[in-house]
Amino acid sequence: QKEVEQNSGPLSVPEGAIASLNCTYSDRGSQSFFWYRQYSGKSPELIMSIYSNGDKEDGRFTAQLNKASQYVSLLIRDSQPSDSATYLCAVNAYSSASKIIFGSGTRLSIRP
Amino acid sequence: DVKVTQSSRYLVKRTGEKVFLECVQDMDHENMFWYRQDPGLGLRLIYFSYDVKMKEKGDIPEGYSVSREKKERFSLILESASTNQTSMYLCASTDSRDRDTDTQYFGPGTRLTVL
Repeated sequence: QKEVEQNSGPLSVPEGAIASLNCTYSDRGSQSFFWYRQYSGKSPELIMSIYSNGDKEDGRFTAQLNKASQYVSLLIRDSQPSDSATYLCAVNAYSSASKIIFGSGTRLSIRP
Repeated sequence: DVKVTQSSRYLVKRTGEKVFLECVQDMDHENMFWYRQDPGLGLRLIYFSYDVKMKEKGDIPEGYSVSREKKERFSLILESASTNQTSMYLCASTDSRDRDTDTQYFGPGTRLTVL
C-alpha cells in the first residue's frame, strides 16, 4: 500500500462546476496535511494546509480532513480553466515531522 | 518572498560522470530537501537535511549523496551518473520552527538527462 494515495485521473470538470479531489494516507500519526498545485513544467506550490479535523476554506478552495478515516480532500468551487493542473496531496511522516510524503498527484482538466 | 534557486534548469551528462546539483535558499530555513519527480511516481524524497552538516536518507538514496556545509546551500551529488537517474530534480526548503510555516518552498527544478 502506498503511503499517500490519489487517483491519477485525469479528472475532467466543466467550467464553473465543483472539482473534488481525494487522498488517503496510511500513517495514523500524521498531523500535517497539504495540497500542492503543479502546472506542467513548473514546481509545486502550496494551495492549502490543514491540521485539524473538519473543513478549512480559502477563497474558492476548501480542504477537508477526516483523521479517523485517514482521508483528505480538496474542493475547488467555480472551477476555472486556470485550475487545470496536477494536484499533489502531501502528509507529514509521524516518524520525522520534517519529512513530507507526497502522493503521485491527480491531473485535473477544466473544460470550457 | 522565499526564494529557492537551483544551479541549472537543464543538464545533460554522460554515464559515469560525477554530477553536482546545487540548491540555495534565502530565508534562513533549517530544513532542505532533494526530490526526484518521474511520471506516474510523483515526488520521491532522496535526502533531506535539518541542519548544517546533518543529513538523513529519504526513500531512494541509492546512487546519491548530499552535502550541506552552509545553512543556505544543499548540494545533491551523483557519484557516477546512470541512465536511470534521468529525471526532474526538485529542491525544497521549510522552516520547522513554526508548524504553520512548514510549507515546502520549491526551486524551479533541474531536468537532468543522462546519456
